[in-house]
Amino acid sequence: AQSVTQLGSHVSVSEGALVLLRCNYSSSVPPYLFWYVQYPNQGLQLLLKYTSAATLVKGINGFEAEFKKSETSFHLTKPSAHMSDAAEYFCAVIRGSTLGRLYFGRGTQLTVWP
Amino acid sequence: KAGVTQTPRYLIKTRGQQVTLSCSPISGHRSVSWYQQTPGQGLQFLFEYFSETQRNKGNFPGRFSGRQFSNSRSEMNVSTLELGDSALYLCASSLGTSGRGDIQYFGAGTRLSVL
Repeated sequence: AQSVTQLGSHVSVSEGALVLLRCNYSSSVPPYLFWYVQYPNQGLQLLLKYTSAATLVKGINGFEAEFKKSETSFHLTKPSAHMSDAAEYFCAVIRGSTLGRLYFGRGTQLTVWP
Repeated sequence: KAGVTQTPRYLIKTRGQQVTLSCSPISGHRSVSWYQQTPGQGLQFLFEYFSETQRNKGNFPGRFSGRQFSNSRSEMNVSTLELGDSALYLCASSLGTSGRGDIQYFGAGTRLSVL
């Protein structure tokens, strides 16, 4: 069964530092993977998605993620953190042929220090 | 294009009552999915409707129900509320026909508090 695991429920970085949020998936077939961001008192906003077209996926707000099949990972990175990046980030996967249903990781809260 | 609209944004109910939440999807989207978000359980899938039919269902008790109208607007209902139903309820809409790469767009959610 496909699922995702996010390592680290909290990540803190200084403004300008590299952001690395980890997501590993378990799947026996190529997955469709997504990263969403949630700001306080808001819904989820899509950052990027992987659909097997390219292993390096660029998203909004300077974020990107690299699909590594050998490591079953889809980590989210941003070269330089900004205060506005402080939010909760969720990795999600479409499981099998079940359309309309996302399976989410537990989320990673990103704190950015000035 | 307008985004996904959820009403109301906040609700306070007491145990035993019932509640109805509403979701208006993005124009042209035929699929609406509902999720419950709590600190303890994270994001959990409730159900998905496509063209007025429930296409997928999560592992929630029968007190949780939903429906979709011909204009794709959806409602979810929770009967006999329990304290544990306090959560942020998120609705997401998508085309529903683009396969596994279909993108779900989320509303801002309805915050339900059960006292």
